[in-house]
Amino acid sequence: DIQMTQSPSSLSASVGDRVIITCRASQNISNYLNWYQQKPGKAPKVLIYAASSLQSGVPSRFSGSGSGTDFTLTISSLQPEDLATYYCQQSYIIPLTFGGGTKVEI
Amino acid sequence: VQLQQSGPGLVKPSQTLSLTCAISGDSVSSNSAAWNWIRQSPSRGLEWLGRTYYRSKWYNDYAVSVKSRITISPDTSMNQFSLQLSSVTPEDTAVYYCASLVVEVTGTSYMDVWGRGTTVTVSS
Repeated sequence: DIQMTQSPSSLSASVGDRVIITCRASQNISNYLNWYQQKPGKAPKVLIYAASSLQSGVPSRFSGSGSGTDFTLTISSLQPEDLATYYCQQSYIIPLTFGGGTKVEI
Repeated sequence: VQLQQSGPGLVKPSQTLSLTCAISGDSVSSNSAAWNWIRQSPSRGLEWLGRTYYRSKWYNDYAVSVKSRITISPDTSMNQFSLQLSSVTPEDTAVYYCASLVVEVTGTSYMDVWGRGTTVTVSS
């Protein structure tokens, strides 16, 4: 199985801050990397797919980059509604696997 | 597309966990989607369990961790798919989600629609 490692596991930032979350795959996954946001008590919601494609309806302050084994999710200007846990997920090979999550506190 | 989950929230140890996910706005027989079950617990995080999909015939993929106990089945007459997990133990206690996986023409894929989740507790 491909292991997905996220860092940090949690962070605290202020409104307006630039936030960067990293995700590392245990092997080359090309751009088969997705980012999800999960708010408390809710199902995950896709933000970024194929490493850098913004899902329709997602604010442009979210962006993704990377290829191969190293990826980043950037929130350019943190907003109060961005309080959530963020997960990366690889879709390169079955089984689909998720990172351990990054909890963002405001 | 919307996914509506149903099923019991309490299952006894050694019994079979059964959940259903009804699809609206798409077809379980779609040639560009796959229908997945994922669970989430504090100890395991987000864990993909398996999927069913149609590409001229039906296919299934399952996680090795549950492969001997899991069945995911499509129901074309009701446009839904189901999860059965047998011989459950307290370690199967989790929030269970169904989700649709869309496959892009480039080959990349992602889970674009999720059910609301069902909290399943395994306890006598």
